[in-house]
Amino acid sequence: QLQLQESGSGLVRPSQTLSLTCAVSGGSISSGAYSWSWIRQPPGKGLEWIGYIYHTGSTYYNPSLESRVTISIDRSKNQFSLKLSSVTAADTAMYYCARGATAPTHFDYWGQGTVVTVSS
Amino acid sequence: DIQMTQSPSTLSASVGDRVTITCRASQSISSWLAWYQQQPGKAPKLLIYKASILEGGVPSRFSGSGSGTEFTLTISSLQPDDFATYYCQQYKSYYTFGQGTKLDIK
Repeated sequence: QLQLQESGSGLVRPSQTLSLTCAVSGGSISSGAYSWSWIRQPPGKGLEWIGYIYHTGSTYYNPSLESRVTISIDRSKNQFSLKLSSVTAADTAMYYCARGATAPTHFDYWGQGTVVTVSS
Repeated sequence: DIQMTQSPSTLSASVGDRVTITCRASQSISSWLAWYQQQPGKAPKLLIYKASILEGGVPSRFSGSGSGTEFTLTISSLQPDDFATYYCQQYKSYYTFGQGTKLDIK
């Protein structure tokens, strides 16, 4: 059974960089059949896709966040990561990692999520 | 950007009721639509993809239909576990979600 687990800094100061990692177990992140995404959900609000990466390292980002987002992959550790720069309070959210099939696609496996708060 | 609009935002119903949630896209997305269920404090769970295909393990009381710009999620007979928030998601062009429909107990 595939499992995804987010980890990283829960509190980030404004203007700093948010960093999260998603560890994948029960399957290989190097499989060519899947994309690996980050999705967030501000408190009490809906879902926003941030971006995804393939095992090749190819990335696709939400145009509204593209200038601040970097997603990378570490095949040796079977994990992928998110960096979001110049954060503000509007970036406070639950951050999820998720698996999709080859894009365009739906998301069939999700991590449990990790809360990130942007505050001084 | 493709915008997704769900209606209603909140729906009150009773166990055993049949309920329908609508999702409209701002432009045609063919059948590139998924539905998710989210319980409080949990990650979303995939219910349906490609508008009408039931994800494995999802009860058959859930069904999806539609194509183009208008889609529906129907729950044929509500069970206690079904009271949750439901989201649609388009994947025709990048990915966007509806704002959610909260289904609560009447």
